[in-house]
Amino acid sequence: KAGVTQTPRYLIKTRGQQVTLSCSPISGHRSVSWYQQTPGQGLQFLFEYFSETQRNKGNFPGRFSGRQFSNSRSEMNVSTLELGDSALYLCASSLDRGQGEAFFGQGTRLTVV
Amino acid sequence: AQKVTQAQTEISVVEKEDVTLDCVYETRDTTYYLFWYKQPPSGELVFLIRRNSFDEQNEISGRYSWNFQKSTSSFNFTITASQVVDSAVYFCALTLRAGKSTFGDGTTLTVKP
Repeated sequence: KAGVTQTPRYLIKTRGQQVTLSCSPISGHRSVSWYQQTPGQGLQFLFEYFSETQRNKGNFPGRFSGRQFSNSRSEMNVSTLELGDSALYLCASSLDRGQGEAFFGQGTRLTVV
Repeated sequence: AQKVTQAQTEISVVEKEDVTLDCVYETRDTTYYLFWYKQPPSGELVFLIRRNSFDEQNEISGRYSWNFQKSTSSFNFTITASQVVDSAVYFCALTLRAGKSTFGDGTTLTVKP
């Protein structure tokens, strides 16, 4: 079966702009989590969605938001981009919440200039 | 709050050597799940193993083995007879029952031929 698909793979944006990243989980998976990976901060949890509801949120400002659709696909949005938002954004899907094996996508590399 | 510590930032070994990656975690929850992931240069995290807090059995899968000790809050990962293809960044992660995940900073393993 197809893996987790994240689009786009690479993105360059200017400070102040906003961006939307997309994640299509493995078919049948209902939980989608997002992570930000940077050299300085490592892998940090952004949020988790399950059944179209945000279940958990990490310590990120309100500029970071997301949503999940009825088909479990998820989007995350970052508004008013800052240079420090440059990172690899990873999406993970799992059958259920938290406890199971999570499958990760290849990520979206966002560069803010 | 939970925390995962991977004290070894980088490890370099020669092929066929055994290598152990350390992981120490902190949580007040009694129900939690521990994971190891491998991140090759392509970027996506590859699931290696999951352990729940009630299962302290060690596990061996081919050249990989894991030692879970609740008494020391450790979940160490050993690669026996390492190979060049094992070169990657390895992450240890802790997920609470509620689904919130915390990752360690990762250990970069380089296996030289």
